[in-house]
Amino acid sequence: QQKVQQSPESLTVSEGAMASLNCTFSDGTSNNFRWYRQHSAKGLEVLVSIFSDGEKEEGRFTAHLNRANLHVSLHIREPQPSDSAVYLCAVSMYSNYQLIWGSGTKLIIKP
Amino acid sequence: EAGVTQSPRYAVLQEGQAVSFWCDPISGHDTLYWYQQPRDQGPQLLVYFRDEAVIDNSQLPSDRFSAVRPKGTNSTLKIQSAKQGDTATYLCASSFWESDYTFGSGTRLLVI
Repeated sequence: QQKVQQSPESLTVSEGAMASLNCTFSDGTSNNFRWYRQHSAKGLEVLVSIFSDGEKEEGRFTAHLNRANLHVSLHIREPQPSDSAVYLCAVSMYSNYQLIWGSGTKLIIKP
Repeated sequence: EAGVTQSPRYAVLQEGQAVSFWCDPISGHDTLYWYQQPRDQGPQLLVYFRDEAVIDNSQLPSDRFSAVRPKGTNSTLKIQSAKQGDTATYLCASSFWESDYTFGSGTRLLVI
């Protein structure tokens, strides 16, 4: 069964510095990998969806996928205090598109 | 295009009370998911439907939780006798293809 783990649990970064978040998974045959952001008391906002090994950029957000190493990362360029939120990694299963989630990284951007 | 709509936004119950959550998916999305997200954790799938059929409810606490989608459109998730451990955000999502997976803003439940 697919297991997804995120690290670190929490991260504090100064405004403008790069923020890097990690996600490892147990089954590399999964369909798709996504990064979501969740502000307190708000819904889930998808940031980047990546299927192929390599890099995918969406604005200031870049995901790197390495299926062989069972690893996907998210890098946030020039983060701002408004980027402070919980970031969740989700892995989509081929069979039913069910999403398997990590427990999240709480990101704090200090002005 | 309207997104996934959930109601109510918030619910506060005493233990033993019942509550229902409602979800209106995106028109044309045949698959609907209910997730439970406890505080400081990732969402966990409770049940999902394709049209009106339950495809997987193995993670649904069947003694107190029930979910229906009678016409293959809107869905209701009900907790019969709430416990403090049910405190969480309940998220509904819908999709047709994997690429158009969309979440509602959730219902935050507090059981005291």
